[in-house]
Amino acid sequence: SQWGEENLQALSIQEGEDVTMNCSYKTYTTVVQWYRQKSGKGPAQLILIRSNEREKRSGRLRATLDTSSQSSSLSITGTLATDTAVYFCATDAGGNNKLTFGQGTVLSVIP
Amino acid sequence: GPKVLQIPSHQIIDMGQMVTLNCDPVSNHLYFYWYKQILGQQMEFLVNFYNGKVMEKSKLFKDQFSVERPDGSYFTLKIQPTALEDSAVYFCASSPDRGNSDYTFGSGTRLLVI
Repeated sequence: SQWGEENLQALSIQEGEDVTMNCSYKTYTTVVQWYRQKSGKGPAQLILIRSNEREKRSGRLRATLDTSSQSSSLSITGTLATDTAVYFCATDAGGNNKLTFGQGTVLSVIP
Repeated sequence: GPKVLQIPSHQIIDMGQMVTLNCDPVSNHLYFYWYKQILGQQMEFLVNFYNGKVMEKSKLFKDQFSVERPDGSYFTLKIQPTALEDSAVYFCASSPDRGNSDYTFGSGTRLLVI
């Protein structure tokens, strides 16, 4: 999982497999956001899950949030080669317009 | 969807010189940001800007850094003078308003200080 002093994680899977990426956060937050960053591009927001939600779905994506353990996960079902990217979670403590990003997970989906 | 444009995409500059990074945020967004990403590391918050003012800045936002958005034109990050450790990718972002977490990021400006 990503965050804190952990090194950047890397996962390599075959196209069609499902994958789950985890992150934990240290400070209070009202939302957890998941971003995808492809090579040479800026991060693109994938899914936003609020502190009063336990699960959020968007297409092949599913995010979960456990505020008691301060952790979140992002699952992708039926991965495609185009899902190859770095995935970051980010928190915006109290909606103060300042994102804190995790270290990220490098996902490689092999066709 | 709406985009944040950053100009230039790449910049190489001699240490000690001044550089200005330009950002054209999403047109109806009111909050603007700069983030810094060193290769292989996480993205880090530099500064946010609202209603013509810096609202919050991090310890990475050194005295040599400044931001402005004169008369609704580009939102700029100026570094004067540059140092070797300023080499990084700088991302601009915008969001609709205070407390709104709908961020849109640009593709970044890759700055190399030599």
